[in-house]
Amino acid sequence: QKEVEQNSGPLSVPEGAIASLNCTYSDRGSQSFFWYRQYSGKSPELIMFIYSNGDKEDGRFTAQLNKASQYVSLLIRDSQPSDSATYLCAVGSNYQLIWGAGTKLIIKP
Amino acid sequence: DTAVSQTPKYLVTQMGNDKSIKCEQNLGHDTMYWYKQDSKKFLKIMFSYNNKELIINETVPNRFSPKSPDKAHLNLHINSLELGDSAVYFCASSQGQGAIGNTIYFGEGSWLTVV
Repeated sequence: QKEVEQNSGPLSVPEGAIASLNCTYSDRGSQSFFWYRQYSGKSPELIMFIYSNGDKEDGRFTAQLNKASQYVSLLIRDSQPSDSATYLCAVGSNYQLIWGAGTKLIIKP
Repeated sequence: DTAVSQTPKYLVTQMGNDKSIKCEQNLGHDTMYWYKQDSKKFLKIMFSYNNKELIINETVPNRFSPKSPDKAHLNLHINSLELGDSAVYFCASSQGQGAIGNTIYFGEGSWLTVV
């Protein structure tokens, strides 16, 4: 069975520091990787997607993909209290998108 | 304008009742989904439609029946509600049906509580 695993947290990070969120997946054939953010009581919203090995940067966010080791990570630089949310990793292959359970991130002022 | 809108947002109902959740997207997308998110925050796909055709039907009780009158609408009808059906149900859409290059846009969710 295809799985996507994330540490449920909570991960507590001081304001201004780098938050590092990790996700591992079981299907070696996976081709697309997404990070969604979900505030409490709200719907998930896309932060970033990555398809190729390496790093992809967008503002304070960097996604890192390592297909050989089957993990994808999300780095948040200069963390802000508004970054406090649950971060969901989703991994796709063909027509199937598998979701992790999410990591709860708390940014402490 | 809300891109993916679903109603009602909150629904409290008794066991055994039948209820429907409606969803509409104005993004011009071809694919629509119903997801269920339980108390542990697992997001699980229930159904997916592409241009009104059912393409994904995960292991979901027969009490759940989706209906897509056109590609902009995907409704969910639930018969004989059970306590375990209590969850947040998200409608979503994407341009295509593959996992490559298709961002999924979610509605605001419908909080269903069965008592």
